[in-house]
Amino acid sequence: DAGITQSPRYKITETGRQVTLMCHQTWSHSYMFWYRQDLGHGLRLIYYSAAADITDKGEVPDGYVVSRSKTENFPLTLESATRSQTSVYFCASSVTGVAGELFFGEGSRLTVL
Amino acid sequence: TQLLEQSPQFLSIQEGENLTVYCNSSSVFSSLQWYRQEPGEGPVLLVTVVTGGEVKKLKRLTFQFGDARKDSSLHITAAQPGDTGLYLCAGPSHITGNTPLVFGKGTRLSVIA
Repeated sequence: DAGITQSPRYKITETGRQVTLMCHQTWSHSYMFWYRQDLGHGLRLIYYSAAADITDKGEVPDGYVVSRSKTENFPLTLESATRSQTSVYFCASSVTGVAGELFFGEGSRLTVL
Repeated sequence: TQLLEQSPQFLSIQEGENLTVYCNSSSVFSSLQWYRQEPGEGPVLLVTVVTGGEVKKLKRLTFQFGDARKDSSLHITAAQPGDTGLYLCAGPSHITGNTPLVFGKGTRLSVIA
């Protein structure tokens, strides 16, 4: 039972580069989420998706783009990375609804130099 | 957006001691969830409380939802090193309940053998 897998687990990039973080789930959960976790801020929602081709902004969407062409995949793209986007990114899914129990991946640690 | 404040931020105790951590808000929540996060991993759900005044037990962990549904507490009896981690509370970002979760900043617990 693989659950949610994120890749890459670690990434170092430079300011201005495009970066895509991948998220794949094996459960066919309808809802998927992207959170970022930073010291002093906790977990903050970037984007979420209720189903394939349905996405919505969270608390901190600026500078990020998401897509969901298939139920199982929910990639997060930083179009032009900035140092403020250095963070740990968590993908999560839920079967019970937008406010339901979240199943998290192991996270992707991104450093923008 | 409803906010959740957790206290204390950090807690370091000896094995065998009891402790309580708190999750407070000025807003009413339809439900609250508690997660535990270990280093290098994503958060894992411990419990969901839904009814005001509700008490749920998970082995040595006791969760309580305030009567007014504005606060929650987590009590750990006879803490063990395996309890070490970041404890997060989360609830729907809007009082209607049908919105993504907002997280508190967490309590980082260290249990020393």
